[in-house]
Amino acid sequence: GAGVSQSPSNKVTEKGKDVELRCDPISGHTALYWYRQSLGQGLEFLIYFQGNSAPDKSGLPSDRFSAERTGGSVSTLTIQRTQQEDSAVYLCASSLEVKRGYQFFGPGTRLTVL
Amino acid sequence: SQQGEEDPQALSIQEGENATMNCSYKTSINNLQWYRQNSGRGLVHLILIRSNEREKHSGRLRVTLDTSKKSSSLLITASRAADTASYFCATDSSNTGKLIFGQGTTLQVKP
Repeated sequence: GAGVSQSPSNKVTEKGKDVELRCDPISGHTALYWYRQSLGQGLEFLIYFQGNSAPDKSGLPSDRFSAERTGGSVSTLTIQRTQQEDSAVYLCASSLEVKRGYQFFGPGTRLTVL
Repeated sequence: SQQGEEDPQALSIQEGENATMNCSYKTSINNLQWYRQNSGRGLVHLILIRSNEREKHSGRLRVTLDTSKKSSSLLITASRAADTASYFCATDSSNTGKLIFGQGTTLQVKP
């Protein structure tokens, strides 16, 4: 596609429910990144993928968070048993390769946990 | 935790003036990048400067990097109302693209 796309653009859920956020990177980009942006914490790295493998999961806040990438393309970020502090904008980015440097960001998914 | 600290947190200038934003970081880096964000959504890459570079230009943007002081600055010359946005520096210390972002500077350019 022309750019990185994310869905849904907005998600409102109740505390305790599971949510899945989707990211479609730019075609041919092997590296994919997830970040979270919230008022209190700014922009935080969550996880990145090189192909389908995730060498660095150090940014995932808790074991309620997981992510996968299949076919070297689409990635999903899953948050189980959501909490109010999970409310944030979740941003996905991709780059041609890990060492290429700059990243192309999607528009984000705004998650609100009531 | 955030690697970078940016100042000022907010900047308001008149169209045509120059805007300077500063970023400091704590650990050694492979590269430092600047991004712009409009309306709290997707970020747009502006410029990347590698650790062995001292200055880079792109259009009205000028970035400097001082690795001895662990700091960088972004200069936007002849600002326009359309430059109104939040600007973030981000460092890559592992050469994996894992970016650590600063808190950002909110720039308002008044017409």
